[in-house]
Amino acid sequence: GQQLNQSPQSMFIQEGEDVSMNCTSSSIFNTWLWYKQDPGEGPVLLIALYKAGELTSNGRLTAQFGITRKDSFLNISASIPSDVGIYFCAGQLRETSGSRLTFGEGTQLTVNP
Amino acid sequence: SAVISQKPSRDICQRGTSLTIQCQVDSQVTMMFWYRQQPGQSLTLIATANQGSEATYESGFVIDKFPISRPNLTFSTLTVSNMSPEDSSIYLCSVDGTGQGEQYFGPGTRLTVT
Repeated sequence: GQQLNQSPQSMFIQEGEDVSMNCTSSSIFNTWLWYKQDPGEGPVLLIALYKAGELTSNGRLTAQFGITRKDSFLNISASIPSDVGIYFCAGQLRETSGSRLTFGEGTQLTVNP
Repeated sequence: SAVISQKPSRDICQRGTSLTIQCQVDSQVTMMFWYRQQPGQSLTLIATANQGSEATYESGFVIDKFPISRPNLTFSTLTVSNMSPEDSSIYLCSVDGTGQGEQYFGPGTRLTVT
């Protein structure tokens, strides 16, 4: 089956720094999604990407759909303490897997004030 | 995006018993999904619940252990049957709210089996 490798596994940064995390897949996807999960909560959708090469921003967040369709990255600029949480990438390939999402292992982000 | 609620939010159960988790959505949706998130882990899809048809289970999950109901377009239940400590996890429901693949998640049910 499809596998997603997400890196880094964890990050410890100072407030104000920029952050970058990425996901790579062994096979192609036609949708990439990025979620954030706070402790005790369900994942919240941050950004959705539908086209190879697409670059999308949501406030301080920017994500890109890799042109090979096998990778995606998420950047967070000027981090703030409320950015703390676990970030998950998820991929979908409707032709073979329908609406199923495959999730990466997550990136635990800690922001020191 | 859809607003999703789950009940209960958490529970502590004895091994061998069963727990039914409810998922309610504020709008009609075709597809609902149930996920498991084991402690410190990522999300794993248990099954897809479509209204009017049997749920579709992923490899490693079976209907006898995780029976699912989908009586209408805004509600679904997942039962965790004959529980063991290995079933201690967060159980999450999600919906495909736009038809384009974006899934929105409920707050989760935190289950501890003793």
